[in-house]
Amino acid sequence: GENVEQHPSTLSVQEGDSAVIKCTYSDSASNYFPWYKQELGKRPQLIIDIRSNVGEKKDQRIAVTLNKTAKHFSLHITETQPEDSAVYFCAASINGNQFYFGTGTSLTVIP
Amino acid sequence: GAVVSQHPSWVICKSGTSVKIECRSLDFQATTMFWYRQFPKQSLMLMATSNEGSKATYEQGVEKDKFLINHASLTLSTLTVTSAHPEDSSFYICSAGGTANQPQHFGDGTRLSIL
Repeated sequence: GENVEQHPSTLSVQEGDSAVIKCTYSDSASNYFPWYKQELGKRPQLIIDIRSNVGEKKDQRIAVTLNKTAKHFSLHITETQPEDSAVYFCAASINGNQFYFGTGTSLTVIP
Repeated sequence: GAVVSQHPSWVICKSGTSVKIECRSLDFQATTMFWYRQFPKQSLMLMATSNEGSKATYEQGVEKDKFLINHASLTLSTLTVTSAHPEDSSFYICSAGGTANQPQHFGDGTRLSIL
């Protein structure tokens, strides 16, 4: 099955700086890659997603890039704020059939 | 927007008890729902794919007789942890999406504590 790896596991940045989280996947058939933000004790919330026919997608301070050849995708958060502190998960899916999650990145934004 | 309801949110029970967790899609039909398990500070581990009207598809290493899944309608999937033991204590989360390649909407999760 699909294997998704995520790095780093923890990340601390100063408020206003950028944060980058990287994921790799193993199954070249995966074509849908969502990113989720999970606050302690709460459900994961979708923050952005990208499909394999697109190389980059941006939504305000959040952007995701996808390199299909290298089978990796990244989340970029610019102008970080304390409320961005949470655990972020990447995931890979083939047509929405089974979602395999990365191991998570605990992001801390220091005021 | 789409909402997935999961119930109960927290359950504490004695070892040997069977516990049923419900996952409902409130404003859309879901032919497929997913069940995940999450240990503290760890990622979501896909346990099984629940298919409406047919048997669930279990991930490798997940005991189907231990974690019974029933998807009797397009809006309801249930996960029953049978004869639960302390090692089954975990956070269980379901998710559902209306159509293929659509974002998954997660339930609030169920914190299961087995004494």
